[in-house]
Amino acid sequence: GAVVSQHPSWVICKSGTSVKIECRSLDFQATTMFWYRQFPKQSLMLMATSNEGSKATYEQGVEKDKFLINHASLTLSTLTVTSAHPEDSSFYICSAPRGAGGIRGNSYEQYFGPGTRLTVT
Amino acid sequence: KNQVEQSPQSLIILEGKNCTLQCNYTVSPFSNLRWYKQDTGRGPVSLTIMTFSENTKSNGRYTATLDADTKQSSLHITASQLSDSASYICCAGTASKLTFGTGTRLQVTL
Repeated sequence: GAVVSQHPSWVICKSGTSVKIECRSLDFQATTMFWYRQFPKQSLMLMATSNEGSKATYEQGVEKDKFLINHASLTLSTLTVTSAHPEDSSFYICSAPRGAGGIRGNSYEQYFGPGTRLTVT
Repeated sequence: KNQVEQSPQSLIILEGKNCTLQCNYTVSPFSNLRWYKQDTGRGPVSLTIMTFSENTKSNGRYTATLDADTKQSSLHITASQLSDSASYICCAGTASKLTFGTGTRLQVTL
C-alpha cells in the first residue's frame, strides 16, 4: 500500500518555541493532505486541510496563525506549531488521500502517517 | 452536531474467539463509513470503506456491516489473534469531511 511518513516521530520542546512537523507521501502525489490532532483516549480531530499551491482550510476553532501549514509540493506538507504551550501537547497525525476521483470520490483511500508525539514543557 | 459513538469502550477476548464492535453515527452529510485499526502511538490503518449503498464489506477476518437507515455499523472480527490487539475506530461522513469515533480498545489474550 501507499506510504505516508512523518518527521519527527516525537519531539519535546520548551514553551514558547516553534516546532515543525513534516508529512510526506513517499510513493504517490497528494494535492491534498489532512492534519489531525488526537488527545489521549479521544478521537482524531481534523485541524486543517492542506492544499498544494493554495492556502490551507482550517476547521472551526483552530487558530491559523498558531498552526501554520505549508503544502510546498505534491509530496510534502508541513505543520508548524508556533509559540507552543503545554496545552498543545498532543499526537499530531497527517493523512493523504489516494484513489479514483481523489477526495471527490467516496471510495478514496486515506493513508495516515505514523504520527508525531509533541510534548511541550 | 456530528457524532460517532462506539461501543464497547474496551473489550478483552481470548485468542481464537470472535467479537463484534458497534458504531452509531449521527453525521450529515453522509456518504461513506470507514473502519480503521490503530495501534498505540501509531497512525490508523484502513480496514474497510463502505458507501451508503453498501451493506457489508469484508477484509480477511474483518467484516463490516452498515445499516444506513438506522445509522448503525458493526465490525466483526473472526478467529482473533494477539496481533488484533489495538483500537478500532469508526468514522463517518463524506469524502472530504469525516467524523471519527473515540474507538474501541480491543485486547486479545492467551
